[in-house]
Amino acid sequence: GQQVMQIPQYQHVQEGEDFTTYCNSSTTLSNIQWYKQRPGGHPVFLIQLVKSGEVKKQKRLTFQFGEAKKNSSLHITATQTTDVGTYFCFLDMRFGAGTRLTVKP
Amino acid sequence: NAGVTQTPKFQVLKTGQSMTLQCAQDMNHNSMYWYRQDPGMGLRLIYYSASEGTTDKGEVPNGYNVSRLNKREFSLRLESAAPSQTSVYFCASSEAWGNSPLHFGNGTRLTVT
Repeated sequence: GQQVMQIPQYQHVQEGEDFTTYCNSSTTLSNIQWYKQRPGGHPVFLIQLVKSGEVKKQKRLTFQFGEAKKNSSLHITATQTTDVGTYFCFLDMRFGAGTRLTVKP
Repeated sequence: NAGVTQTPKFQVLKTGQSMTLQCAQDMNHNSMYWYRQDPGMGLRLIYYSASEGTTDKGEVPNGYNVSRLNKREFSLRLESAAPSQTSVYFCASSEAWGNSPLHFGNGTRLTVT
């Protein structure tokens, strides 16, 4: 079956530093979605990527879909305390294990 | 527009007791889902309903049953609760199965003692 790997599991940064989480699949994907879950909250949809090599930006967040459609990344530039939470990739109806981001002011 | 509403928010059960988690969405979505979230395990799909009148097993269906009561409502039943079912349960809905964004409810925190 399909294997989904999301790394790193945890990331602690100083406010203003950058952050990246990666999601890898063992199979070619039709699309990938990214979600954010604040502590104590529920997952909230961020974005969906469909095309090979696609890059989308939302303010300080940059999402990429790999050329082979087997991997994806979420990059946050100059993190803020409001970025705290767990970021999940979602592919073929399965969630990655998530990357928990903490930000030190 | 409430989105996805789950009840109850918290529940404590004794081993062997039964209960039903309720979920309703007001977005006219076709597909609905039940996930459980355990520390370090991410979200795992229990059951889903791709469209009204259909239900299918997800990754971890054992110990659960579901009912798609109508297009709006999708309930999850624990017939005989076990401590291993202690978790946070999320209901979600999407416009269509497969490539539509999921909209989540606020979750039910269940403890089985």
